[in-house]
Amino acid sequence: EADIYQTPRYLVIGTGKKITLECSQTMGHDKMYWYQQDPGMELHLIHYSYGVNSTEKGDLSSESTVSRIRTEHFPLTLESARPSHTSQYLCASSKKGQGAGEQYFGPGTRLTVT
Amino acid sequence: AQSVTQLDSHVSVSEGTPVLLRCNYSSSYSPSLFWYVQHPNKGLQLLLKYTSAATLVKGINGFEAEFKKSETSFHLTKPSAHMSDAAEYFCVVRANFGNEKLTFGTGTRLTIIP
Repeated sequence: EADIYQTPRYLVIGTGKKITLECSQTMGHDKMYWYQQDPGMELHLIHYSYGVNSTEKGDLSSESTVSRIRTEHFPLTLESARPSHTSQYLCASSKKGQGAGEQYFGPGTRLTVT
Repeated sequence: AQSVTQLDSHVSVSEGTPVLLRCNYSSSYSPSLFWYVQHPNKGLQLLLKYTSAATLVKGINGFEAEFKKSETSFHLTKPSAHMSDAAEYFCVVRANFGNEKLTFGTGTRLTIIP
């Protein structure tokens, strides 16, 4: 079944650790996105990619980095986690040329940095 | 520039009664508008979208929304609420010119009273 996956779903980690949040989709979508969502707040775009080897910063400044080596995989990395990085991170994808803005979302990773 | 305002952060209705979730938008260009739903610990799911065709849009699970350009509104309605409708609802706008970034509202939490 075509879907979009995120792992881990929950992560509690200490300050200074390096972490990678995984996102994979089996729909063959060209475009992928990372959003950050704080409790009770709207989603903010932090990274996006239009295809392999394409990555761009989003509207919200983030210390995280992303890579897009394969179409189906769009991991997000924090080199040194801090308590201010505590948030929910949502990955999404969409098809090139698809009806405007129809994005498919993963279940999210809830990150807590202690 | 574009923005979205969800007028109610929390709405409570009794099961079987109508639902109204309000959304106003602003956009420099003709927009596409969406409603997404987020159930607890799940990713966002597209409920419906408006992309400059019919102004009354029908979505999944009996929801519908009407695009009113004169009022810059895109309110979400359902004639009869069901317990399974309890979730967070996000109104989203995308300008039909330039980049493909989505701008999210802050969300409305819908509670259904048995």
